[in-house]
Amino acid sequence: GAGVSQSPSNKVTEKGKDVELRCDPISGHTALYWYRQRLGQGLEFLIYFQGNSAPDKSGLPSDRFSAERTGESVSTLTIQRTQQEDSAVYLCASSFHSPTNTDTQYFGPGTRLTVL
Amino acid sequence: SQQGEEDPQALSIQEGENATMNCSYKTSINNLQWYRQNSGRGLVHLILIRSNEREKHSGRLRVTLDTSKKSSSLLITASRAADTASYFCAMRQTGANNLFFGTGTRLTVIP
Repeated sequence: GAGVSQSPSNKVTEKGKDVELRCDPISGHTALYWYRQRLGQGLEFLIYFQGNSAPDKSGLPSDRFSAERTGESVSTLTIQRTQQEDSAVYLCASSFHSPTNTDTQYFGPGTRLTVL
Repeated sequence: SQQGEEDPQALSIQEGENATMNCSYKTSINNLQWYRQNSGRGLVHLILIRSNEREKHSGRLRVTLDTSKKSSSLLITASRAADTASYFCAMRQTGANNLFFGTGTRLTVIP
């Protein structure tokens, strides 16, 4: 079946503008994660959705960042009033079970965001 | 902030040689996973080892885990040019929803 898809693949925006990034998880996956990866670095956790439970927003770096997910489907990550420091690759992942000892995350190709 | 550190940061070897990457972490974990990333985009899951396991094999991959030292290693045997990529360890902390990723090792396999 199809993997995790993300759109757009690349986004160039001007400082101060809002951007919206989209993630389509694998069908049937209950858990969805957003990560940020700055150039040459590892992944930073941003937010986690599990079914209809309240999301874990503990990784969001500021109130300019927000995310939504409708049920177990598409998620959007919104960054308001973008800053140059927001430039990074934003990666989405989904997994079948809620966090257990054995779940594996399946990653999308990412959205490369460049803030000029 | 990073919860895992990997070394070396970069590794360059000849095709056919073995590559070893190490990961150290700070907290109690449920499992540790290794992922591969090509060209700075999506990650691909390689292998998962649970906290009660010490060694695991998958094809040319061998992973070890030492929870007393809070460290893991990934060995790729008989490397190929196609193994060129960045490799990340990722820890499932006890009670956490997300994975904490290491800093990554950039592996280059020279044909």
